[in-house]
Amino acid sequence: DIRMTQSPSSLSASVGDRVTITCQASQDIAKYLSWYQQKPGAAPELLIYAASTLQAGVPSRFSGRGSGKRFILTINSLQTSDIGTYYCQHYDNLPLTFGGGTKVEIK
Amino acid sequence: QLQLQESGPGLVKPSETLSLTCSVSGGSMRSSSYFWGWIRQPPGMGLEWIGSIYHSGTSHYNPSLKGRLTMSRDTSKNEFSLKLQSVTAADTAIYYCARGPIEVGATTWFDPWGLGTLVTVSS
Repeated sequence: DIRMTQSPSSLSASVGDRVTITCQASQDIAKYLSWYQQKPGAAPELLIYAASTLQAGVPSRFSGRGSGKRFILTINSLQTSDIGTYYCQHYDNLPLTFGGGTKVEIK
Repeated sequence: QLQLQESGPGLVKPSETLSLTCSVSGGSMRSSSYFWGWIRQPPGMGLEWIGSIYHSGTSHYNPSLKGRLTMSRDTSKNEFSLKLQSVTAADTAIYYCARGPIEVGATTWFDPWGLGTLVTVSS
């Protein structure tokens, strides 16, 4: 199975800050990576697929980059509505696996 | 707008079978462009892919579930289901159903998701 490791596991930042979350795959997954946001008490929602393609309706302050083993999710100008936990997920092969999550809080 | 809704018992006894159904509205399950999947999340923990099923009826399961899982779909009712046998407390989780696009013949990401349903395994 491909192991997905996210860092940090949690972070606290101020409104307006730039936030970066890293996802490392245990083997090369090309660009077969998606990112999700899970707000407290809600189901996850797709933010990005194919490592860098923004899902329709997702604010442009979210962006993704990377390929191979290392991927980054960036939130430019953090908003209070961005609090929650962020997960990466690979789809290079089966089984699909998710990262452990990064909890984002407002300082 | 596609919507998915999970349903099933919220409490299951250890060693029994957990059965859930996902009802799909706002779109048809007959499309060959999508797969349908289940994901679970133990309380306070991360996400685990359970399995996926395709319009053909073919399904793929997470090997971690060790042969306890069966998925099925009923396109006439626009719903799909899972049955997980011999459950233990470790199967306590929020269970989500979701859809995803098939790209290059393969399972991909999940969008949209259902709201989720909490299933507790306890006597």
